[in-house]
Amino acid sequence: GAGVSQSPSNKVTEKGKDVELRCDPISGHTALYWYRQSLGQGLEFLIYFQGNSAPDKSGLPSDRFSAERTGGSVSTLTIQRTQQEDSAVYLCASSLGPGAYEQYFGPGTRLTVT
Amino acid sequence: GQQVMQIPQYQHVQEGEDFTTYCNSSTTLSNIQWYKQRPGGHPVFLIQLVKSGEVKKQKRLTFQFGEAKKNSSLHITATQTTDVGTYFCAGPGTSGSRLTFGEGTQLTVNP
Repeated sequence: GAGVSQSPSNKVTEKGKDVELRCDPISGHTALYWYRQSLGQGLEFLIYFQGNSAPDKSGLPSDRFSAERTGGSVSTLTIQRTQQEDSAVYLCASSLGPGAYEQYFGPGTRLTVT
Repeated sequence: GQQVMQIPQYQHVQEGEDFTTYCNSSTTLSNIQWYKQRPGGHPVFLIQLVKSGEVKKQKRLTFQFGEAKKNSSLHITATQTTDVGTYFCAGPGTSGSRLTFGEGTQLTVNP
């Protein structure tokens, strides 16, 4: 595809359920980021993958959050035992490399926990 | 760890007025990037500055990178309603580290 894609675009789940959010980065991009954005707020960094290096998980808010990136391409963000405060837009971005390169963002997944 | 701060958090202007947002990093940056997020959209890359003291222009937008490479600014001349959105600066501490975003400045333009 031409850009970063994310699925689903919207997800409504009940409190306590697990959810999986998917990100398909631009082909050839070695860096992949996950962010969380609450309404009217800034970008909260969650996790960063760069090539084969160990991911930077310093932004994950709790051990309910995890992410993996298979084969250096597709990434999945998993939230276990969802809470209402997890409701937000989850954005994925990819870039050709680490910080010196511009990021291309996907359209995001809007997660609502009821 | 590295922190990137932006001011102001919000700015309301009348159409035709100028607007400036400032970005400050706790550490020296190898480069500074600016992004724009329209309401309901996702951040979109605007520009990257690399050199100390660099100034770049895109039509009514002027971007500056400080001499010490720790601060930057975005100035919009004669704002239009199409300028509405949140402007983020972002920078890596070193070229090999991840990008850190500022909190953003939310611009509202009253017609």
